[in-house]
Amino acid sequence: KQEVTQIPAALSVPEGENLVLNCSFTDSAIYNLQWFRQDPGKGLTSLLLIQSSQREQTSGRLNASLDKSSGRSTLYIAASQPGDSATYLCASSSGAGSYQLTFGKGTKLSVIP
Amino acid sequence: KAGVTQTPRYLIKTRGQQVTLSCSPISGHRSVSWYQQTPGQGLQFLFEYFSETQRNKGNFPGRFSGRQFSNSRSEMNVSTLELGDSALYLCASSLGQGRITDTQYFGPGTRLTVL
Repeated sequence: KQEVTQIPAALSVPEGENLVLNCSFTDSAIYNLQWFRQDPGKGLTSLLLIQSSQREQTSGRLNASLDKSSGRSTLYIAASQPGDSATYLCASSSGAGSYQLTFGKGTKLSVIP
Repeated sequence: KAGVTQTPRYLIKTRGQQVTLSCSPISGHRSVSWYQQTPGQGLQFLFEYFSETQRNKGNFPGRFSGRQFSNSRSEMNVSTLELGDSALYLCASSLGQGRITDTQYFGPGTRLTVL
């Protein structure tokens, strides 16, 4: 059974700082890995999807990497802004045709102005 | 394109009652998945529907059920509500074609409170 862990549970950084969020998974046979953002009381917004054959994906100030052999993914946020404050969740998909995502419990990020 | 919509946004029920939640996927999306989010357990997969058929089911009791209609809209039902069913219920839609790039798009959720 896949288990996804995100450490730390919470992180506070000053505005402008570059930061890395970590995600680890126990079963390396993933199909893809997605990073989501969740604002308080709201649904999830998809940030990046990394296919199992890829090593990284980039979108603006965000860069996500995937290392299946070590069971790790990281989300790098450059030049953080107060608007980046949210909970960031990673989720793995187990296989083709399966839309069941296994989520970590998230990292709550606070960017201090 | 309009996003995933969920109704109602908030619900308050008492123990023993039943509840039905609704989800309208993005136009053209045929797969709808449901998740339960609680502070203790995080996000947990309930079930997924594609073309009116349940393709996958999570580890939840039979009190949780769902269905999908021919227009891809989906409903989930929880019978005999328990206090522990209080949660944010999220619906996600995707094309459902099994492609590795098939992203899931989430709705705003329905906040269910059981008293």
